[in-house]
Amino acid sequence: AQKITQTQPGMFVQEKEAVTLDCTYDTSDQSYGLFWYKQPSSGEMIFLIYQGSYDEQNATEGRYSLNFQKARKSANLVISASQLGDSAMYFCAMREGSTGNQFYFGTGTSLTVIP
Amino acid sequence: DVKVTQSSRYLVKRTGEKVFLECVQDMDHENMFWYRQDPGLGLRLIYFSYDVKMKEKGDIPEGYSVSREKKERFSLILESASTNQTSMYLCASTLNLGSLYEQYFGPGTRLTVT
Repeated sequence: AQKITQTQPGMFVQEKEAVTLDCTYDTSDQSYGLFWYKQPSSGEMIFLIYQGSYDEQNATEGRYSLNFQKARKSANLVISASQLGDSAMYFCAMREGSTGNQFYFGTGTSLTVIP
Repeated sequence: DVKVTQSSRYLVKRTGEKVFLECVQDMDHENMFWYRQDPGLGLRLIYFSYDVKMKEKGDIPEGYSVSREKKERFSLILESASTNQTSMYLCASTLNLGSLYEQYFGPGTRLTVT
C-alpha cells in the first residue's frame, strides 16, 4: 500500500487566489512527521512546512499552512495569495517514528499559477 | 545553513561505464539518502545510510551500490551504467531524530546514459 498519496497530478490557480494541494498518508505509528517540499523547475527540493503527529495546532509558515486532519489521515497544503513564483512541483512526505530513517514521498502535484 | 552538495549538476555517460555520484553534507547529519526521480513516479529511494560504513537498501537498489567511508560523504555508484538509469538523482541528509527532522537536499544530478 502507498504510504503517501497525492491524487492531483496537476493544478491551476489564479494569481492571488488560495489553493489546496491534497495529501493522504497511511501509517500505524503513533509518532510521525509530515513534510511538504517545493521543487521549482531548477530541480532543488525546498522544505516548506512540517507537522508532527502530536501537534494539536495546524502548522503555518508564512503563506503556507498545513490542514492536518488526523482521523482522516490527511495533510493538505494550503497556499494563500498565490504568486507566479509558486509554480512548481509539490511533494508531500512522511517520516515514521518507529523506523525514523526512511522518508516516504508522494508522486507530487504540479502547480501552475496563472497571471 | 545546512549545505548538501553534489559533484555534478549534469552528467553524460556511455552504456557500460562505471559512474560515481558524490554527495557531501556539512552539518554532521547521521543519515544520508540517494533517490532517483522520474516523471510521474516521484522520488524513489535507492539506498540510505545511518552511519559510517552502514547502508540499507531502499526500494530500487538493483544496479546501484553505495559507499560511506566518512560521515559527511555518501557516494552512489553505477557499476555498469544502462540507458534505463537515465534520471535525476537527488542526495539528502538529516539528523537521526525520530520523526522530527526534515531532510535537506542537494541540487540534484541529471544523468544521461547514451
